[in-house]
Amino acid sequence: DARVTQTPRHKVTEMGQEVTMRCQPILGHNTVFWYRQTMMQGLELLAYFRNRAPLDDSGMPKDRFSAEMPDATLATLKIQPSEPRDSAVYFCASGLSTGVAKNIQYFGAGTRLSVL
Amino acid sequence: GQNIDQPTEMTATEGAIVQINCTYQTSGFNGLFWYQQHAGEAPTFLSYNVLDGLEEKGRFSSFLSRSKGYSYLLLKELQMKDSASYLCAGSYSGAGSYQLTFGKGTKLSVIP
Repeated sequence: DARVTQTPRHKVTEMGQEVTMRCQPILGHNTVFWYRQTMMQGLELLAYFRNRAPLDDSGMPKDRFSAEMPDATLATLKIQPSEPRDSAVYFCASGLSTGVAKNIQYFGAGTRLSVL
Repeated sequence: GQNIDQPTEMTATEGAIVQINCTYQTSGFNGLFWYQQHAGEAPTFLSYNVLDGLEEKGRFSSFLSRSKGYSYLLLKELQMKDSASYLCAGSYSGAGSYQLTFGKGTKLSVIP
């Protein structure tokens, strides 16, 4: 049963600490997306990759957030230093981009982050 | 950005039919997705429309009018398990690939 795997599922940390979230996309998928979901803003795109290359990270606060894809099986999202306003659920999604618009994204279970 | 608008909440009765509307910006638009998200869980894909008209899939149907920038999700024979948030998402061209812009979701409560 192919699925996107995210770790950790929950993270509680103190303001100023570094947070690293990991994502294993579905094998064979060539696009990876990072989203943040809050009650106020809904689901916001932070960054996405195609064939491991970053295509767009305009939704991400560059001073504290960074997203990488060191290999095809791992994507990471880091926050350093973390702030209370970063508290949210962070979702990773993967898909197979074939050049047409129907790129169904499959979501991981999310990382629920609380920054105290 | 591309605004996706949908109602915040809806309530419907078990066994009934409910229609969830969504409007979107048409500039750069390629297709329309609907996702279902139960509380505390990940969004899961429901449907995709690229052409005008109705796509039916069991109890769920989705409609698209490209000229009007309008879509709806129709849920028939509602069941208690259909209580969830329903996310409308537009696919837009950008940065050499397609990305989704999500609405804030419509929280549907199904009552007995």
